[in-house]
Amino acid sequence: RKEVEQDPGPFNVPEGATVAFNCTYSNSASQSFFWYRQDCRKEPKLLMSVYSSGNEDGRFTAQLNRASQYISLLIRDSKLSDSATYLCVVDTGGGNKLTFGTGTQLKVEL
Amino acid sequence: DAGVIQSPRHEVTEMGQEVTLRCKPISGHDYLFWYRQTMMRGLELLIYFNNNVPIDDSGMPEDRFSAKMPNASFSTLKIQPSEPRDSAVYFCASSFGARTEAFFGQGTRLTVV
Repeated sequence: RKEVEQDPGPFNVPEGATVAFNCTYSNSASQSFFWYRQDCRKEPKLLMSVYSSGNEDGRFTAQLNRASQYISLLIRDSKLSDSATYLCVVDTGGGNKLTFGTGTQLKVEL
Repeated sequence: DAGVIQSPRHEVTEMGQEVTLRCKPISGHDYLFWYRQTMMRGLELLIYFNNNVPIDDSGMPEDRFSAKMPNASFSTLKIQPSEPRDSAVYFCASSFGARTEAFFGQGTRLTVV
């Protein structure tokens, strides 16, 4: 089993739709979770951290389910500019080993 | 702040040649990471340093790869000899403290022919 797994997509959604991504992780001792965004031919950038209680940043909501070992990202009212690859990131080892999922591609269409 | 700076941005080299990738982390950051990204395997952690000391190099594919961090403001990733399967985008990232946001450089796109 991979340490961090994501559905690669692509998810093609119309503008204004709500879309959700899930990510599963294998190490029950993981403590830190993030969602990064990567635009085509660009570097990954932090979208948001994921806290145990769940957190929201505008149209974006992140949730953590420790019992089932998955994190989720919900995007409401999708914009064309949300089109990108969304990477799930989990610390998978002692110290500061951050492991990236392979990413979920989102395409928001008119 | 200039962010994480990588050089070169693009490198095309012939199989068997030595390749050196360079990274300048954000000033004050104590962690530095080297990642490799390909379509097939996504972003893979190769090695990371804490306060210039290599902590985990289990992702380094083989002995042809080596990384150094001689001081807090500079790191290199060297491939010798290079092979076509090393073609990828290599990212350097840095962070302040453990389990915090990692800031990425723009990457080096390496092509080995």
